[in-house]
Amino acid sequence: NAGVTQTPKFQVLKTGQSMTLQCAQDMNHNSMYWYRQDPGMGLRLIYYSASEGTTDKGEVPNGYNVSRLNKREFSLRLESAAPSQTSVYFCASSDSGTDTQYFGPGTRLTVL
Amino acid sequence: GENVEQHPSTLSVQEGDSAVIKCTYSDSASNYFPWYKQELGKGPQLIIDIRSNVGEKKDQRIAVTLNKTAKHFSLHITETQPEDSAVYFCAASKGGSTLGRLYFGRGTQLTVWP
Repeated sequence: NAGVTQTPKFQVLKTGQSMTLQCAQDMNHNSMYWYRQDPGMGLRLIYYSASEGTTDKGEVPNGYNVSRLNKREFSLRLESAAPSQTSVYFCASSDSGTDTQYFGPGTRLTVL
Repeated sequence: GENVEQHPSTLSVQEGDSAVIKCTYSDSASNYFPWYKQELGKGPQLIIDIRSNVGEKKDQRIAVTLNKTAKHFSLHITETQPEDSAVYFCAASKGGSTLGRLYFGRGTQLTVWP
């Protein structure tokens, strides 16, 4: 059981470039989440997916899009990266019967 | 939406002492309060959680207390060890898969000196 996995671990982009952050979970969870973590700000929810086929905006969705590809995978896309999107991104998942969220190891993204 | 405030932002204790981190929340509908530990370069890991129908929960050296009336909850770590050094986050949620969005505090950097 790998839990929640994220790729890549590190990424450097130039302003205006696009990229997709990948997340997969092998715990058969229904719900998945994307957070960003900035120094002194805690974790803030970008998007979440309560179940396969549904996605909803969180606190800070601007500049991002998501795709719930199937029950296992939930990707986060930056269409035109900006320096303000420099952050550490965490994916999480939870079972619909519980509230416990399990986090992946994170992707550290730098936008120059 | 929910607003979670966490204090202190940094905490230094001697090994063997106790550490207490406090959080307040604003939405009285929140009913699930987890605490996460984040070690350097890793993702947050759940260490203990409490629901609004319980006032206190303990797991070995870690305990959490909840005061629904005052809308605050606290993490207590006794007999601290150097490996307890990490960033700790509190969070609040209304619970449920659709409403299960976690609102996090800004974190407390705990340092335990040997």
